[in-house]
Amino acid sequence: DQQVKQNSPSLSVQEGRISILNCDYTNSMFDYFLWYKKYPAEGPTFLISISSIKDKNEDGRFTVFLNKSAKHLSLHIVPSQPGDSAVYFCAATSYNNNDMRFGAGTRLTVKP
Amino acid sequence: GAGVSQSPRYKVAKRGQDVALRCDPISGHVSLFWYQQALGQGPEFLTYFQNEAQLDKSGLPSDRFFAERPEGSVSTLKIQRTQQEDSAVYLCASSWRDSLTTEAFFGQGTRLTVV
Repeated sequence: DQQVKQNSPSLSVQEGRISILNCDYTNSMFDYFLWYKKYPAEGPTFLISISSIKDKNEDGRFTVFLNKSAKHLSLHIVPSQPGDSAVYFCAATSYNNNDMRFGAGTRLTVKP
Repeated sequence: GAGVSQSPRYKVAKRGQDVALRCDPISGHVSLFWYQQALGQGPEFLTYFQNEAQLDKSGLPSDRFFAERPEGSVSTLKIQRTQQEDSAVYLCASSWRDSLTTEAFFGQGTRLTVV
């Protein structure tokens, strides 16, 4: 069963505009959420995370929003840059668990 | 090394062959994870080590899959009698703490193709 879902397999955005990547989860036990970025032929690299006690976490151009009641989180990138073009994975886990569940990923393309 | 290193990068195995995939985590990292990523999917959890102890192997798909980390550093994922459905990228990740709520560093993965 897919406990973490990224329903958009791809997203294309113009350079300088905002990119919004969405993620939904079904397991209410998840209390920690992460975004990973993956370039071709490389492993995923950690981007930003958020604990369930917060609804927003910001790091430079990247902001993650969490809506616990909707079991939804989103990653905002503003302004988007061509170097942001990659596959973005949403992941979820809980503090007492060793199993991090990933979504299927969204391929972001930022056009110059 | 500076990061998580996996070898080989690519492996082609004939159906029924045994394979061994190696992971060198970042020095000093306590936790080590193996993930399987099928084409077009996100990584799926296989197993977790804390030092040399395998604390969770609930994600291993069958008893053909076996993982070890005997000295708490390098880990090997072994797949016996490979099947075509085993074709995937196998990712290893390590973390300096015993929780996934800290950043886990991933290796580049081993792409296994079973023909």
